[in-house]
Amino acid sequence: SAVISQKPSRDICQRGTSLTIQCQVDSQVTMMFWYRQQPGQSLTLIATANQGSEATYESGFVIDKFPISRPNLTFSTLTVSNMSPEDSSIYLCSVLRGGTTGELFFGEGSRLTVL
Amino acid sequence: AQSVTQLDSHVSVSEGTPVLLRCNYSSSYSPSLFWYVQHPNKGLQLLLKYTSAATLVKGINGFEAEFKKSETSFHLTKPSAHMSDAAEYFCVVRGSGGYNKLIFGAGTRLAVHP
Repeated sequence: SAVISQKPSRDICQRGTSLTIQCQVDSQVTMMFWYRQQPGQSLTLIATANQGSEATYESGFVIDKFPISRPNLTFSTLTVSNMSPEDSSIYLCSVLRGGTTGELFFGEGSRLTVL
Repeated sequence: AQSVTQLDSHVSVSEGTPVLLRCNYSSSYSPSLFWYVQHPNKGLQLLLKYTSAATLVKGINGFEAEFKKSETSFHLTKPSAHMSDAAEYFCVVRGSGGYNKLIFGAGTRLAVHP
């Protein structure tokens, strides 16, 4: 398994501000991902956080809105920029263990409420 | 393209009775399928996974799922529900875009009553 710590666990933010979420893993991993779970909804992949290069974003997500850093193999950050109430969601960090046929492990998520 | 459909958004059972959470998948090739559980205010935990080995997969906490290719189904079952099973359950398929493309179903909320 993997121990994944996310900070903050929850926050209430004002419209127009930005918030950075941190994800720390207990050991080195190659693949790290960021997901969004809107209220009452399922999970949607935002991007793959690549170590040493720019993140790979899914359709509908852009770097200006969700900049991601991955300075090493155990840490990543996701910033939600210029927030609006529509950004109120749970943001989850996940890592892949066990190679290409392995499984994803998830952090407990960061619950953001934008007023 | 791969997709999953969870046929019930809510399921309610009594403690001690069987649990059935239904999932149908669509895939152009032999898929990898997963069930994850999310307890309130918690992250997601893997219950079990199917990766083309045995069609009956046993997971944690007494859950199991059977892969039926002819029915394109991967239903999750448990013989006897416990109060602690109350949670949101997600059926997931690994997409064709690479190993990172996990496609989540809409989820089924399981309620367990005394």
